[in-house]
Amino acid sequence: DSGVTQTPKHLITATGQRVTLRCSPRSGDLSVYWYQQSLDQGLQFLIQYYNGEERAKGNILERFSAQQFPDLHSELNLSSLELGDSALYFCASSPTSMRASTDTQYFGPGTRLTVL
Amino acid sequence: AQKITQTQPGMFVQEKEAVTLDCTYDTSDPSYGLFWYKQPSSGEMIFLIYQGSYDQQNATEGRYSLNFQKARKSANLVISASQLGDSAMYFCAMRALNFGNEKLTFGTGTRLTIIP
Repeated sequence: DSGVTQTPKHLITATGQRVTLRCSPRSGDLSVYWYQQSLDQGLQFLIQYYNGEERAKGNILERFSAQQFPDLHSELNLSSLELGDSALYFCASSPTSMRASTDTQYFGPGTRLTVL
Repeated sequence: AQKITQTQPGMFVQEKEAVTLDCTYDTSDPSYGLFWYKQPSSGEMIFLIYQGSYDQQNATEGRYSLNFQKARKSANLVISASQLGDSAMYFCAMRALNFGNEKLTFGTGTRLTIIP
């Protein structure tokens, strides 16, 4: 158990719908990362939040958005869903200190999204 | 930009034998970290081992060791005395060691199957 929790574990929805994925980082970790794992794109970085602020953006679609709340949990919002959005979505967390070399990202169990 | 290459899509290894999973990388960052993650069929991403580009010695964690050859830009994972529970996907990943640039870039993975 990495200490990172994600809910829900599975999500099945229809095209055009909107869903919210939730992540709670390990105790004490300030950074939350979102990754998408799909068959055609592999594992891709989407976005990072650090202590409530957006820190880095990757290959995140405009239909997707995220936020990190004061208690450090994070939510990833996916809207106007398409079939191609079906994937495993991971949240990871790390302490993110000035000594970045010591930071390992620990992953949650993932949310498997199926868009029908 | 960073790039990770894993050239072995799948490997079959007899139980109790050692196995080497290949990983080569490319980056323009002067300092970087290399990671290996294991993804069993259940889907979670499990951190295995970390190597910093500045580390003089190869990293070891139990049965896992990282054969780091900086001049060749390779970071191969060695699993000694393989077990049936080692059957999984293995991903090599890297990250720049800059505060503010912590995203992980992943390879395409190697599926390891341990044969009894």
